[in-house]
Amino acid sequence: EAQVTQNPRYLITVTGKKLTVTCSQNMNHEYMSWYRQDPGLGLRQIYYSMNVEVTDKGDVPEGYKVSRKEKRNFPLILESPSPNQTSLYFCASSLTFEGGSYEQYFGPGTRLTVT
Amino acid sequence: DAKTTQPTSMDCAEGRAANLPCNHSTISGNEYVYWYRQIHSQGPQYIIHGLKNNETNEMASLIITEDRKSSTLILPHATLRDTAVYYCIVRDSRDNYGQNFVFGPGTRLSVLP
Repeated sequence: EAQVTQNPRYLITVTGKKLTVTCSQNMNHEYMSWYRQDPGLGLRQIYYSMNVEVTDKGDVPEGYKVSRKEKRNFPLILESPSPNQTSLYFCASSLTFEGGSYEQYFGPGTRLTVT
Repeated sequence: DAKTTQPTSMDCAEGRAANLPCNHSTISGNEYVYWYRQIHSQGPQYIIHGLKNNETNEMASLIITEDRKSSTLILPHATLRDTAVYYCIVRDSRDNYGQNFVFGPGTRLSVLP
């Protein structure tokens, strides 16, 4: 089954304790992306990756890092989490932009609480 | 910033067609219109997309006006499971590769029994 998986699904942590949220897709997609969703602010893009070793900032990259060492994985790293990073996080993937159209597949989400 | 405007919320009776409008008056010639929906706090789900012509798939129909400044997503026979937030998205032109999607607040559709 084609899917995007995220782990963990729920996480409660404390300020300053480094954490990684993993994202994996089994569709051989070149493009992957991370979003956060907050009440009243909608979905905002954090980082995206066009392919292995190619990443770029989205709209809200501060406080986050990503890496793309393998095509299927795109982990989101919070080196020193703060309470304002409490949010619902989504990973997404798609084929590379070709001919003007594509469909993004989203993971189930990771609910992060930083105290 | 999102390049689309949508009503904040809409109601629809179960079994009836749900027509969700979207304005995208600044859309450029090569930009596509996409529709996604999000049920509760699940990951957004792709519905349909189009450029100029009307499109139909197993989930919905997309009607794009001739000037392309607005579109309508039609769910022909809405069910309670179609209750969700519906996002109309035009690909962000800041990204030359067309990969940076900008989600606006969307329309919260409530399908009523």
